[in-house]
Amino acid sequence: NAGVTQTPKFRVLKTGQSMTLLCAQDMNHEYMYWYRQDPGMGLRLIHYSVGEGTTAKGEVPDGYNVSRLKKQNFLLGLESAAPSQTSVYFCASNPGRNTEAFFGQGTRLTVV
Amino acid sequence: AQKITQTQPGMFVQEKEAVTLDCTYDTSDPSYGLFWYKQPSSGEMIFLIYQGSYDQQNATEGRYSLNFQKARKSANLVISASQLGDSAMYFCAMREGNFNKFYFGSGTKLNVKP
Repeated sequence: NAGVTQTPKFRVLKTGQSMTLLCAQDMNHEYMYWYRQDPGMGLRLIHYSVGEGTTAKGEVPDGYNVSRLKKQNFLLGLESAAPSQTSVYFCASNPGRNTEAFFGQGTRLTVV
Repeated sequence: AQKITQTQPGMFVQEKEAVTLDCTYDTSDPSYGLFWYKQPSSGEMIFLIYQGSYDQQNATEGRYSLNFQKARKSANLVISASQLGDSAMYFCAMREGNFNKFYFGSGTKLNVKP
């Protein structure tokens, strides 16, 4: 059982470039989330989805877009990368009951 | 206001001793969940323990227990008999609301000394 898989694991971008991070889960979970982790700040919610075809803004949505065209996939896009977006990005999913969020292994993104 | 506050950026504990990691939360939702995660240096997020807001008893999972004080809005993690492998970053988290959002604290870095 793969759980939550993030692609890619590492990426280096130049300022102004765009990219898409893919999150795939095989647990049929309704809820999916994108977080960024920065030193001393814990995990901050970027965007989330409560089901296929839905997305909503989290705490730090600026500079990011998301899509959830299929229930199992949640894509995070950076249209014009900035050095401030250098971070570790985590995707998570949750079935909507009193259970934990299941995390992917993270993507380390560096914008130079 | 911060949803989750962890006031201990770093802590040291001697191997085999118990340690308490502090967590306070802020919510007006009567139904919420509290979680602790461990993040070792390899980076993955490992779920440790869960406490529901309506649970009467404190949650326990092996050497982990959650000291839930609802009136004080605190959810401290207690690790008994610390092991060297417990050295890691620990995050407290809360799930609340109809949209099932998870909020995380800034974390506590625990170092277990031999």
